[in-house]
Amino acid sequence: RKEVEQDPGPFNVPEGATVAFNCTYSNSASQSFFWYRQDCRKEPKLLMSVYSSGNEDGRFTAQLNRASQYISLLIRDSKLSDSATYLCVVISSGSARQLTFGSGTQLTVLP
Amino acid sequence: DVKVTQSSRYLVKRTGEKVFLECVQDMDHENMFWYRQDPGLGLRLIYFSYDVKMKEKGDIPEGYSVSREKKERFSLILESASTNQTSMYLCASRDPGQGNTGELFFGEGSRLTVL
Repeated sequence: RKEVEQDPGPFNVPEGATVAFNCTYSNSASQSFFWYRQDCRKEPKLLMSVYSSGNEDGRFTAQLNRASQYISLLIRDSKLSDSATYLCVVISSGSARQLTFGSGTQLTVLP
Repeated sequence: DVKVTQSSRYLVKRTGEKVFLECVQDMDHENMFWYRQDPGLGLRLIYFSYDVKMKEKGDIPEGYSVSREKKERFSLILESASTNQTSMYLCASRDPGQGNTGELFFGEGSRLTVL
């Protein structure tokens, strides 16, 4: 089983839709969680951190479920510009060595 | 803004050639990383460096070596390139002082094709 797993998609949704991605992790000792966004042929960039209490940034909401060992990303009112691959990242300890990427979920928002 | 610069965006090499991929960051970050990204496999860590002259193997170090002689520069070396090393290579840096909240800053990537 992979340490961090994501549904690769693709998710094709109409503009204005709400879409949610999940990411599961296998190491119960995982400490920190992030969502990165990667545009086509570009480098990944941090989208948002995921806190235990959940956090929201505009149309984006990230949540953590430690009991079931997954994190989620919810995008409301999808825009064409949200089309990208979304990568979840899990850190299992204070060591940079323990930073693991999921393989990404591809989202296409259609006009 | 942090800038991570990779020396080559696109390279085409022949099997057996030695390949150097260079990465420079301008924010005095101690941690630097080399990943490769392949479809369906995500980002896989090749090597990383905690600080100058320090390096540690990642998940897939075979066929690669690295050099960190200066804090701002982290080089990835393919001693004898093989076709299965055709990939996108991404360099990243991080400020460990931010602990687990430290953001990774990536370069634009180097797409290597080995013929």
